[in-house]
Amino acid sequence: AQSVTQLGSHVSVSEGALVLLRCNYSSSVPPYLFWYVQYPNQGLQLLLKYTTGATLVKGINGFEAEFKKSETSFHLTKPSAHMSDAAEYFCAVRLTGANNLFFGTGTRLTVIP
Amino acid sequence: DTEVTQTPKHLVMGMTNKKSLKCEQHMGHRAMYWYKQKAKKPPELMFVYSYEKLSINESVPSRFSPECPNSSLLNLHLHALQPEDSALYLCASSLTTGTPETQYFGPGTRLLVL
Repeated sequence: AQSVTQLGSHVSVSEGALVLLRCNYSSSVPPYLFWYVQYPNQGLQLLLKYTTGATLVKGINGFEAEFKKSETSFHLTKPSAHMSDAAEYFCAVRLTGANNLFFGTGTRLTVIP
Repeated sequence: DTEVTQTPKHLVMGMTNKKSLKCEQHMGHRAMYWYKQKAKKPPELMFVYSYEKLSINESVPSRFSPECPNSSLLNLHLHALQPEDSALYLCASSLTTGTPETQYFGPGTRLLVL
């Protein structure tokens, strides 16, 4: 069975500070990994995804994530937070051959001016 | 263009009403999805259509009835809903149901059942 754990349902950072949102997965086979962002009253927007190849993935809006197989992690980072980054962030996994995109419980990011 | 559109944006309905949610994409995608998202929760998959055929039904009650009239359009027909069905209903599409394919989400329809 696969599952996704996002540590910290709520993360607060100061504007300009490093953003680190944690995601760990449990799967016997490395899955495909995604980070989505959801702004208030909106749908989900893909930030980045890891399928194969380079383990450091760069996404939109200055975000990046690193796939670490040994740690079964796919943490999301951004060097300098902007006020516009305040949103809900979901990590999601998908196993080869599976139709379901399985989401973590989400992390709400607050950016303090 | 990576846009998935959904109408209406908001819907209020009584438990005896019949209504439909509509989703449209013009990206040539052949896989379309319905998700349900309760407040402060992650989206949960309801249905998957692949090449206009229903391929996944995640044990959704029959009061939700999906329809895929063509490759660009996905509907969700609602009948005799319960207040606990109030949620944000998200539509998504991807090129195929292949695992690495990105799912693109619409803005959702916020449904309130009274």
